[in-house]
Parts: sequence; structure tokens; C-alpha cells
Amino acid sequence: QVQLVQSGAEVKKPGSSVRVSCKASGGSFSGNAISWVRQAPGQGPEWMGGIIPISGSTIYAEKFQGRVTITADASTSTASMELSSLRSEDAAVYYCARVMGMTPVTPAFDCWGQGTLVTVSS
Amino acid sequence: QSALTQPASVSGSLGQSITISCTGSSSDVGSYNLVSWYQHHPGKAPKLIIFEVTRRPSGVSDRFSASKSGNTASLTISGLQAEDEAAYYCCSYASSATRVVFGGGTNLTVL
Repeated sequence: QVQLVQSGAEVKKPGSSVRVSCKASGGSFSGNAISWVRQAPGQGPEWMGGIIPISGSTIYAEKFQGRVTITADASTSTASMELSSLRSEDAAVYYCARVMGMTPVTPAFDCWGQGTLVTVSS
Repeated sequence: QSALTQPASVSGSLGQSITISCTGSSSDVGSYNLVSWYQHHPGKAPKLIIFEVTRRPSGVSDRFSASKSGNTASLTISGLQAEDEAAYYCCSYASSATRVVFGGGTNLTVL
């Protein structure tokens, strides 16, 4: 049974960048796409983008294009998401999620990380 | 504002059934059989309970069922149990540049 373990909470200043990692254990990493989803307080989840670890191919939601970078390292079974030019509205819990299949935009996420709280404050 | 519209809250008594709606558009729910539902207890990771509109992952109770009609998907929970009290989110593939859209969530209270 695969588990996704994310890096710890972060406090960042506006304008800076944050990097959240997601390490898979107990199962296949390269056999599924990984997506990143965030949830701001009081709001619904928001899909940011995803990656096919075996190829490194990425796809991003238009809203985050140019500001988000998703990478994966199959040798360490770790995916990462970096969001730049942080602003207050980026404060949220960020999740990595395994996709049921190889396409990051397939909306079926069968395993989630525990979430990483990102606070943006000056 | 979320792309998919869900009621903010629903409630039901132990043993009863409830249905949560998820209304989208012809650009998402209405055009693709790629709707999923998630159960989210506070402080825990979301859990996939329905994918591809009606399919349940292995291990998910058959008290959870779902359907779709036009631009609206629905999740039904029968035989309500105390542990069903959680937030529920729908999710769909979208042809827009957003690609994957979620609902705003529905908080279920079990009375």
C-alpha cells in the first residue's frame, strides 16, 4: 500500500518561493502520475498541476502556469512542487496525490499525502 | 469561487440516506464520465470514494453510490453512520485550461 509523506509546514514571505516534497513508500512511484492540489481556508480544493514521473512530463493549470514547477525523481520516489512569487492568497494546505493512471489530469486521486501548510506572511 | 457547485451543508439522521449534488457545466461534468468524489475528515488526508462517476475503489463501503444526469453529478450515502460526518468534494475533468475542477465542498452532519 503506497504512502505519500510530505515535507513539513512552511512560513514564507510575500514574493518568495516555497518547495514542498512528497516521498512515496510501500508501492510503485513511477507507475502513476502525481498531481498537486491545494486548499485554502474555507475554500474547495484547487488542482495545480501534475507530472508523469517516468517521463518527467508535466501539465499545469493555466492559473499557475509560469509560477509553479513540478518535478519528480524516480530514484528517490519523490515528487516536488515549487511555487514562486508567493502572495497572501497562496496560503493554503498543499497536497500531493497519486492519480489512478498515467495522466495527471485524470480526476481520480486514490492516495494523498498528509498535506503541508504554507503560511505567507510578512 | 469553485467551478462546481455543491450545497454548503446537508444533514441526516443515523440510518437515513442523503444525497449531495454537484452541478457543473457542459465543459466538465456534462461532457465527461470523469467525476470523482472525496470524503475529508478534518486533519486527515482526503479519501477517494467514487471515481468515473459511479465506480467505487476497493474497500469503500457500498453504502456510497453515485450517478450523473446532464451537468449534475450526485453522491448518495445510505444507512448513515456517525463516521460519515465529514466534508465531501466532487471533482471533474474539464475542457477548460483549468483541466481538473473541484466543488466547494459539502459538510455532512449526522444527527
